[in-house]
Amino acid sequence: AQSVSQHNHHVILSEAASLELGCNYSYGGTVNLFWYVQYPGQHLQLLLKYFSGDPLVKGIKGFEAEFIKSKFSFNLRKPSVQWSDTAEYFCAVTTGNTGNQFYFGTGTSLTVIP
Amino acid sequence: NAGVTQTPKFQVLKTGQSMTLQCAQDMNHEYMSWYRQDPGMGLRLIHYSVGAGITDQGEVPNGYNVSRSTTEDFPLRLLSAAPSQTSVYFCASSYGAGGYEQYFGPGTRLTVT
Repeated sequence: AQSVSQHNHHVILSEAASLELGCNYSYGGTVNLFWYVQYPGQHLQLLLKYFSGDPLVKGIKGFEAEFIKSKFSFNLRKPSVQWSDTAEYFCAVTTGNTGNQFYFGTGTSLTVIP
Repeated sequence: NAGVTQTPKFQVLKTGQSMTLQCAQDMNHEYMSWYRQDPGMGLRLIHYSVGAGITDQGEVPNGYNVSRSTTEDFPLRLLSAAPSQTSVYFCASSYGAGGYEQYFGPGTRLTVT
């Protein structure tokens, strides 16, 4: 089975600080990569996704992620976080030969202090 | 569009009881799936379906059963509930598998005592 690792389990930042959340996956072939966000009490929503092309992907609410194939990574970034970004963030991957199955990371809980 | 709906929102079961979690979508999506979310473990795929009449197992299928008789509905059955099945269950749908965005329901919080 594929695996997705999110090494930051809980991140606490002050407003206006920069954010980078790590995501690594284990599959060496073609991948589709996603970041989902779960705000408190809400269901998961898509932040951004990568299929092919430009490895720097821009999503909603000022988030972006960079696909680095050589590092098997898809880190999420935001230059200046807001209190409303407090949420849980999940990285997910589907691969060329397991395209019917999404593999999610364990999630990173982000708390932004006003 | 209502999107993906799930019922019930909360449920408490005793060990050994059975129940069905309902999931419906009104987006004409072919692909539907069930996940469980546990603290520190993220979301794990239980079962999925690529279309009416077609289902397959995900990562953690034991103790769960699914069927897909219509495009809209994808119920998840717990055959004999166990405390280890205490979790939050999410249903999701998308146009297809692979690179398509999944749309998630609001979740069902299940406690098995």
